[in-house]
Amino acid sequence: GAGVSQSPRYKVAKRGQDVALRCDPISGHVSLFWYQQALGQGPEFLTYFQNEAQLDKSGLPSDRFFAERPEGSVSTLKIQRTQQEDSAVYLCASNQQGWNQPQHFGDGTRLSIL
Amino acid sequence: KNEVEQSPQNLTAQEGEFITINCSYSVGISALHWLQQHPGGGIVSLFMLSSGKKKHGRLIATINIQEKHSSLHITASHPRDSAVYICAALPDSNYQLIWGAGTKLIIKP
Repeated sequence: GAGVSQSPRYKVAKRGQDVALRCDPISGHVSLFWYQQALGQGPEFLTYFQNEAQLDKSGLPSDRFFAERPEGSVSTLKIQRTQQEDSAVYLCASNQQGWNQPQHFGDGTRLSIL
Repeated sequence: KNEVEQSPQNLTAQEGEFITINCSYSVGISALHWLQQHPGGGIVSLFMLSSGKKKHGRLIATINIQEKHSSLHITASHPRDSAVYICAALPDSNYQLIWGAGTKLIIKP
């Protein structure tokens, strides 16, 4: 596609459920980033992939969060046993070869945990 | 003190006015992003610059590396420009953007 695509756009889950958020980066983009944006706050870095390799997962808030990009294109962010504080917009971004290139962002997935 | 600071936090202006949003940073950077976020929407990258000035339509971004300061200007502002504008610094040798708090811009018709 022309841009970074994220799905679903909105997700409502009950506390304790597992959720999976998908990111389709721009074709050919090597780097992929996940961010968490709480309401009224700026985005917070979660994790970074270069191709299929997860080079940095230091921003993942707990071991309930897991991200993968098995074939170096589509990425999935999984949150297990969701809690209310997980409610946020989850943003995905990608860029071409090299992390020091402009990042292209998706529209995000708004996750609400009841 | 935050490493990236934006001002003003909120800005309301009339259609047609010239808009300036400022961003100061305290770390060494390789580049600075200006991004736009509409309510409930994703983030759109407007500019990434490491020196000088860039222009795209009615938007102009400048950066002064020595003074560690960047500005985003909007000429002939329009209500559709209403959004949150965010600057984010890309530190030297690091891919983790340092985000400003954003400037909420409202343009009244």
